[in-house]
Amino acid sequence: DTQMTQSPSTLSASIGDRVTITCRASQSISTWLAWYQQKPGKAPRLLIYKASSLESGVPSRFSGSGSGTEFTLTISSLQPDDFATYYCQQYNDYWTFGQGTKVEIK
Amino acid sequence: EVELLESGGGLVQPGGSLRLSCAASGFTFSNYAMSWVRQAPGKGLEWVASIGDRPINTYYADSMKGRFTISRDNSNNILYLYMSSLRADDTATYYCAKETESSGYYPFDYWGQGALVTVSS
Repeated sequence: DTQMTQSPSTLSASIGDRVTITCRASQSISTWLAWYQQKPGKAPRLLIYKASSLESGVPSRFSGSGSGTEFTLTISSLQPDDFATYYCQQYNDYWTFGQGTKVEIK
Repeated sequence: EVELLESGGGLVQPGGSLRLSCAASGFTFSNYAMSWVRQAPGKGLEWVASIGDRPINTYYADSMKGRFTISRDNSNNILYLYMSSLRADDTATYYCAKETESSGYYPFDYWGQGALVTVSS
């Protein structure tokens, strides 16, 4: 089974900050990685797929990079609507989510 | 507009069973693989099961194998999850999710609002 580890678990940031979240896979998953945003009481929303492809309708301040076992999600300038929990997901071998990164207001 | 609407959640005793349904609309249901993902209260996301466009292709997380059954009715655009031998740690919100392709491993581009399942005596 492929395990996914995100860091940090919690991140405190201010409006306008550049934010980076890291996701590591326990084995190579090529670029079969997605990122999701989830707000309290809501379903997750797909942001990025195939490591760096932006889902339709997602603001361009979100970007993804990486391949193999190390991946990052970057928010170039944090906006009020971006305070949420973010999950990575591998889909190379079944599906596994990271434990989540909560982005809080500093 | 794609819509996924789960139903069938509720309170069930340990050892009991429950069937969740997910009514799909706004896309050609029979052309896409579908999945169930759950989230225990205050916890992260956990993939449960997936089914390809053709119902013969099903996949399960190890902890759900033998207890949960995923199925679909392509004539009526409904996804199901039958859960048996339920335990307290199965308590979660269960989300229905649409995959981006018909079969294989792909991300989930649309999600339902979730159905809460509580396993307790």
